[in-house]
This record gives sequence, structure tokens and C-alpha cells, in this order.
Amino acid sequence: DIQMTQSPSSLSASVGDRVTITCRASQSIRSSLNWYQQKPGKAPKLLIYAASSLQSGVPSRFSGSGSGTDFSLTISSLQPEDSATYYCQQSYSIPPITFGLGTRLEIK
Amino acid sequence: QVQLVESGGGVVQPGRSLRLSCAASGFTFNSYDMHWVRQAPGRGLEWVAVISYDGSNKDYADSVKGRFTISRDNSKNMVHLLMNSLSSEDTAVYFCSRSDIVVVPAATECLDSWGQGTLVTVSS
Repeated sequence: DIQMTQSPSSLSASVGDRVTITCRASQSIRSSLNWYQQKPGKAPKLLIYAASSLQSGVPSRFSGSGSGTDFSLTISSLQPEDSATYYCQQSYSIPPITFGLGTRLEIK
Repeated sequence: QVQLVESGGGVVQPGRSLRLSCAASGFTFNSYDMHWVRQAPGRGLEWVAVISYDGSNKDYADSVKGRFTISRDNSKNMVHLLMNSLSSEDTAVYFCSRSDIVVVPAATECLDSWGQGTLVTVSS
């Protein structure tokens, strides 16, 4: 199975900050990488698919990049409503679909 | 709009069975693969199972293989998860989700819609 490693596991940032979360795959997954946002008590929400494509309705301050084994999710100007846990997910070699352990983002 | 509504969760004793259901609406159900993903309390997301759009193909996580069975009824727009031989390790919120297979700009399978989840607690 392909392992997904996210870093950091948690971070705290201020409104307006630029924030980057990284995800590393245990082997090349080309661009088969998706990002989700999950708020407490809620279902995950798809933000980015195919490494860099913005899901419909997602604010443009979110962006994704990378290919192969190294990926990143960037929030260009952090907003209060961005407080959440973010997960990466690979679909290159399935089953199983595998998720990273998550990055908890707190607003200072 | 796409809507997925899970039901069937609850408290169950170890070793017993439980059947979860997911009612889908707002899209052409028989055109999409469907997944179950779970989340143990305070933990991350764990993929559980997938069923193809026509029910002909099914796959499971190693942690549930041989104990869980995914099925679907396209006439009723429903997907089910039958869980047998439950243990405390199966305690989690179970989410139903819709698969979207993308080929442009790159090939990926993403979970583009999710239900609100149903809580399964395995406890004596």
C-alpha cells in the first residue's frame, strides 16, 4: 500500500497569513492526489483534485501543486473559516485509497 | 443537489452485526462508484470499501475483509454496508461518499460528495 505522510501535523497561523501543508507519498503517484478539508463534527469536503485542480465552489485562495511524490496545499491568505483539519489522499494505486494522517490548522 | 444520508448506526455488542445504509439523491446513482470511509474518535480517515456503479466489483480494506460486505440497490438509490463480527476497533463514524473519476488534467479518483456520517459504537 502507498503511504501518505503529511507535515506538519498541526500548525497555528494568523488571519492573512500564507500557509502551506505538505504531503509526501511513499512512491510516485504522478498527479493522483486530492486534498480535503474537514471541520469538527462535519464530513470531509473535497478542495483540490488531481494535485492542482480547484473543486467547484472552493475559494481561489486554496491551491495545490506537486507531482510524483511531493505535494503541497497552500492557502494564500488565511481566513477564520479555514480553521479545520486537512487531509491528502492518493488514488494512483488502489485499492486501497489511502489518506494522510491530517494537518490540524488553528487560527491564532 | 447531491445528497447522501447515512443511517443504521448505533451501539452494538462485540461480535454482533450491524447494517448501515446510505440513501442517495440528486444525481444519476447508477453511474457512480460508491465508497464507505470511517473515522474513529479523534483519528483520521480510513477507507473501508468501494462498490462499482453496477455492483459487479467490490473491494475492501484489509482491516474489514471477510467481515464487511458492501452492496447496492440501484432501483432504490441505496448503498449498504453489512458489518459482521464487530470489535471495538470498528467504533467510528462511517461516511458514505461518491466517487468521481477524473481523467483531465490528470487521472485521479476523488470523493466529491459525502454524507453526514453515522456513528457506530461497539461496546459491551
